Formats: sequence, C-alpha cells, structure tokens
Amino acid sequence: GEDVEQSLFLSVREGDSSVINCTYTDSSSTYLYWYKQEPGAGLQLLTYIFSNMDMKQDQRLTVLLNKKDKHLSLRIADTQTGDSAIYFCAEKGAAGNKLTFGGGTRVLVKP
Amino acid sequence: NAGVTQTPKFQVLKTGQSMTLQCAQDMNHEYMSWYRQDPGMGLRLIHYSVGAGITDQGEVPNGYNVSRSTTEDFPLRLLSAAPSQTSVYFCASSYSDRGFYEQYFGPGTRLTVT
Repeated sequence: GEDVEQSLFLSVREGDSSVINCTYTDSSSTYLYWYKQEPGAGLQLLTYIFSNMDMKQDQRLTVLLNKKDKHLSLRIADTQTGDSAIYFCAEKGAAGNKLTFGGGTRVLVKP
Repeated sequence: NAGVTQTPKFQVLKTGQSMTLQCAQDMNHEYMSWYRQDPGMGLRLIHYSVGAGITDQGEVPNGYNVSRSTTEDFPLRLLSAAPSQTSVYFCASSYSDRGFYEQYFGPGTRLTVT
C-alpha cells in the first residue's frame, strides 16, 4: 500500500521558524494535508495543497510541494508555544475517498 | 453543530470483554471512518463507510465490527477485547466536493485492555 513518512520529533525556539517534512510514495496523490493534534484532542485540519500547486501560503503557514521528489513540507513562521503539538501529513490518492497518514511529528516549542 | 462526537472518552476493559464505541456526526457527511492511533504509528484505518448501509475494511480490521444503519451514526464494536487493542480510537466524518476531501475528527476514545 501507499506510505507516508515523517520524522518523529522537532524542537524549536519560540519566535524561530519550524519546518516539518514529509515524504510519500503515491504518485497519483491529488491532495496533501497537514493536520494538527493538540494533547488529548482529535486532529484538526491546518491546511492542504492540491497536487498541481508548488506552494501555498496561509498566514504563518507555508506549504511547499515537490511532486517530482514526493516531498511535502510545512513551515510555521514565528513559532509560538501554542504551536506545540503533533503534526500529521496525509495524502489522498486519485481513487477512493481515503487518507493515508504519516506517523506524526511532535513539535516542542521552547521559550 | 456538535460536529463529530464520541463516547466514552475513556474505557478500561478486561481481556475477552466486548464493548461498543459510539460515534455520531451532525454534518450530514456521507463518509465515516474509524482509526486507531498508536505511538509512532500515526493513524491506521480500521473500517470505513461511504454511506448508510455500506461499510468496508481498512488496514487493520481484525477484531472489530462496524455497521452504518443511519447517516449520523457509525458504532465500532470490539467483540472480544485483547491487550493489543489498547489504543486511542478516533472517528472521523468526511465530505467530498469535486475531488477535494476533508475529514473532521472526533475527540477520541482512550481504551485500555488489561
């Protein structure tokens, strides 16, 4: 089946930029997503990108997609302590309505 | 809108017991899914439904049953609980619009099987 990989952990200082990386194997991905999970809560959609786009900016969030290398990244500018959470990358293939999730990256923001 | 609701929030079972995790959504979404979340493994799809009366297996269906008699409800049944089913369970409902697909997640049920 299709696979989505992320690094497990990222530590960043408050005010710096964070970059979370994700790789995937499905060459027919149509949409790619970033979800945020705060402690004890479910996942919330942060942002998404259509596969024919290279970049999407949404306030402090920038998503970059390299379709050739099947690499997705999420940059959070001016990282705040409230950004401490687990971030999941997910992809939707061309067929069916299912998402494949990565293992999640735990981001810790230090004051 | 309450969104996606799950009950209970926490549950402790003994090996061999059965129980049903409840999930309901009030957004009239066609699609509903059950995932389990284990440390470092992300979310793994257990079962999903593309509409009332239609269900299908996901990646890790063994030991779980589902049914979808209404659009709103999608209960997950554990027939004979095992310690390997200790996990956090998330229900999600989804819609699809011209190829775009968005999932809304419930708050989760933390299950411990002893």
